[in-house]
Amino acid sequence: DAKTTQPPSMDCAEGRAANLPCNHSTISGNEYVYWYRQIHSQGPQYIIHGLKNNETNEMASLIITEDRKSSTLILPHATLRDTAVYYCIVRVESGGGADGLTFGKGTHLIIQP
Amino acid sequence: DTGVSQDPRHKITKRGQNVTFRCDPISEHNRLYWYRQTLGQGPEFLTYFQNEAQLEKSRLLSDRFSAERPKGSFSTLEIQRTEQGDSAMYLCASSFFRGALNEQFFGPGTRLTVL
Repeated sequence: DAKTTQPPSMDCAEGRAANLPCNHSTISGNEYVYWYRQIHSQGPQYIIHGLKNNETNEMASLIITEDRKSSTLILPHATLRDTAVYYCIVRVESGGGADGLTFGKGTHLIIQP
Repeated sequence: DTGVSQDPRHKITKRGQNVTFRCDPISEHNRLYWYRQTLGQGPEFLTYFQNEAQLEKSRLLSDRFSAERPKGSFSTLEIQRTEQGDSAMYLCASSFFRGALNEQFFGPGTRLTVL
């Protein structure tokens, strides 16, 4: 799986949009971009994933650049409960073989009141 | 609660002892994964099962580690002759694999401290 690069930490004011960047310049054509987050003392939680089109769900939006070398996770109205470590992961569509996720160190997002 | 559950949540043991953790996946999920997470790091993949079959093992899974999923439902992870370096959070996840992408749902983890 391709590697990802994320800033180690970010701050965002409560109620504002939080924009978390991720670089994945070596991504292959069959690799998807996934985002998970981990709130302190809990297991990681799936947020969203995409291949090349922008995606939106009830939690967040995912914007993937046209060359697919970077992406941005957007939390439209951040709350204090969004304080967590956010992981950007690139993975191929799973078959019968490798299916383990490769986490980096992620971005520690701190929402300020 | 219908999420992934893990037992125990915390375990303190002395170096050299054996420990066993249990994971109960979401009902009807056919894949089950084990990860390890040390302080300040992201989770690291250890192994996964599809039903009873162990399909992938990371090189992190040393000979002292063994995982089983005998009936394709719950799984156990055993660590023999524990070392201080085994101190970590052990996370379990499950997914329903249907031939393509599958979201992994994580449990709360078992925190192991080896004294």
